[in-house]
Amino acid sequence: DAMVIQNPRYQVTQFGKPVTLSCSQTLNHNVMYWYQQKSSQAPKLLFHYYDKDFNNEADTPDNFQSRRPNTSFCFLDIRSPGLGDAAMYLCATSSYRGSYNEQFFGPGTRLTVL
Amino acid sequence: TQLLEQSPQFLSIQEGENLTVYCNSSSVFSSLQWYRQEPGEGPVLLVTVVTGGEVKKLKRLTFQFGDARKDSSLHITAAQPGDTGLYLCAGVRQAGTALIFGKGTTLSVSS
Repeated sequence: DAMVIQNPRYQVTQFGKPVTLSCSQTLNHNVMYWYQQKSSQAPKLLFHYYDKDFNNEADTPDNFQSRRPNTSFCFLDIRSPGLGDAAMYLCATSSYRGSYNEQFFGPGTRLTVL
Repeated sequence: TQLLEQSPQFLSIQEGENLTVYCNSSSVFSSLQWYRQEPGEGPVLLVTVVTGGEVKKLKRLTFQFGDARKDSSLHITAAQPGDTGLYLCAGVRQAGTALIFGKGTTLSVSS
């Protein structure tokens, strides 16, 4: 089945220790998104790639970076995690061919910062 | 300013009750989507509505898009514990633009 996969599902890191979260997709969608979601809140868009074009949200901290080496994979790098970065990180994809921007989400990575 | 106002924020009901979640805006949306997110999982798309006045049904769930395409509602009939989760409305103002999320409604259905 076509899907969005995120690894790991749970990640524990120490304050200030860099961490990388990964996302892969078999949907062949050209747009990939990274969201941060805190408890019982809506997902907050950090950035997205439209093909290879990177689009950063204005309020995304510099601490968050992303890489998309090919269509299928996208990475979220947190350079120096703080306690406030503990959250669920969601990867999503969409096909720009669809004008409704329907997004398909992965299961998320729960990040804990000690 | 929240572009999409979703209410209520929290809802706790008994199995078998009916409920309605509202998603309102002062802006027109070209389409609006509803997602359900279970604890520890990513959101799953339930439905997309695109035409003013449109009504879509998904088993016990009924989705409506307002005539002016500024609001939407989700009605659940005879709620079951399996309906528990975070319900998110999200809209697109214009084709190709970012998805705008409401703050979500956390639904808890107890047996």
